Amino acid sequence: GENVEQHPSTLSVQEGDSAVIKCTYSDSASNYFPWYKQELGKRPQLIIDIRSNVGEKKDQRIAVTLNKTAKHFSLHITETQPEDSAVYFCAASTGRDDKIIFGKGTRLHILP
Amino acid sequence: NAGVMQNPRHLVRRRGQEARLRCSPMKGHSHVYWYRQLPEEGLKFMVYLQKENIIDESGMPKERFSAEFPKEGPSILRIQQVVRGDSAAYFCASSPKLPGNTEAFFGQGTRLTVV
Repeated sequence: GENVEQHPSTLSVQEGDSAVIKCTYSDSASNYFPWYKQELGKRPQLIIDIRSNVGEKKDQRIAVTLNKTAKHFSLHITETQPEDSAVYFCAASTGRDDKIIFGKGTRLHILP
Repeated sequence: NAGVMQNPRHLVRRRGQEARLRCSPMKGHSHVYWYRQLPEEGLKFMVYLQKENIIDESGMPKERFSAEFPKEGPSILRIQQVVRGDSAAYFCASSPKLPGNTEAFFGQGTRLTVV
């Protein structure tokens, strides 16, 4: 089955700097890659996703890239702000009739 | 659209009791996932269901755990004879699973404490 690895487990960046979180997946049939943000004590919330027919997607300060050949995808957050502090999860799915498998998460700290 | 609703939000059970966790998916969503999250850990897949059908239960412990998603009513995750190690947050997510739309949205979770 699918296995998703996520790095780093913890990341501290200065406010205003960029943060990058990287994930790899094992199942070449995976074609849907969502990213979720979870604040302390709250539900995971979908922040951006990418499908395998595109290599990059951007939404304001957040961007995701996908390299299907290498089976890895990344989340980029630019101009980080205090409210970006949270745990971020990457995930992979083969799409219509398959489960969504999550990485172990990255705890992002934005330093003042 | 009220979003994915889980209840109860907090549940305390003594060892050996049964825990029933409920999840009502978003309107129009036909598929439900259940995940378990231990403190400071990730989201571990448990089971994936559509109405009246378990699609994948490969993440569910073989004993004491069961899940259903009946034709009418919420999805239920049932844990029999709970033990301390079952203490965790249990999240459900729902998805429409339409062609080109596989987004999954999470409920607020049920925090189970076994005493």
